Amino acid sequence: SQKIEQNSEALNIQEGKTATLTCNYTNYSPAYLQWYRQDPGRGPVFLLLIRENEKEKRKERLKVTFDTTLKQSLFHITASQPADSATYLCAGRRGSYIPTFGRGTSLIVHP
Amino acid sequence: DAGVIQSPRHEVTEMGQEVTLRCKPISGHNSLFWYRQTMMRGLELLIYFNNNVPIDDSGMPEDRFSAKMPNASFSTLKIQPSEPRDSAVYFCASSPTPDAETQYFGPGTRLLVL
Repeated sequence: SQKIEQNSEALNIQEGKTATLTCNYTNYSPAYLQWYRQDPGRGPVFLLLIRENEKEKRKERLKVTFDTTLKQSLFHITASQPADSATYLCAGRRGSYIPTFGRGTSLIVHP
Repeated sequence: DAGVIQSPRHEVTEMGQEVTLRCKPISGHNSLFWYRQTMMRGLELLIYFNNNVPIDDSGMPEDRFSAKMPNASFSTLKIQPSEPRDSAVYFCASSPTPDAETQYFGPGTRLLVL
């Protein structure tokens, strides 16, 4: 079955550094990947989308890459801040309208 | 815009009881999705509607779960009878179309079945 895998271990970094989160997909080829942010007690909030024919996309301090050879997307937050601390979810979609979500990676930015 | 509205925000019930979760999508959105989130399994799609019609309910765990969308502004997810393994956070999301690039999630209902 199609899977989206994200590192289950929390990522701890110092304020000001670049955070890099990984999303790997298996058993299918998503037409696009989405990244969501989820804060405790809240629903996911859409951040960025990247299509399979795009290598990189940026939005303010966020950057997403899509490598169809490695079957991987990387999500970067530059100049990270404590307010960036949250869980980040990756979702892939192809064909049907049903996205497949990863379990998310928790990011903790220390001041 | 108020966003997607869900009620109740928290629900504690005893095994065997009926539970009804409610959702009001964003006005003008034609697609509505019900998800369940647990630590073990992450975010799983249960069912989605387009124009009030259920399109895919393959994610609904079993017959104890049912969902309805009687009109464009209201949907319910019912569990009867509830079991402890149903404990999870249930999210409703909406989007303008089924294949819209983003979905807008509600705040979720945290369900605990004792």
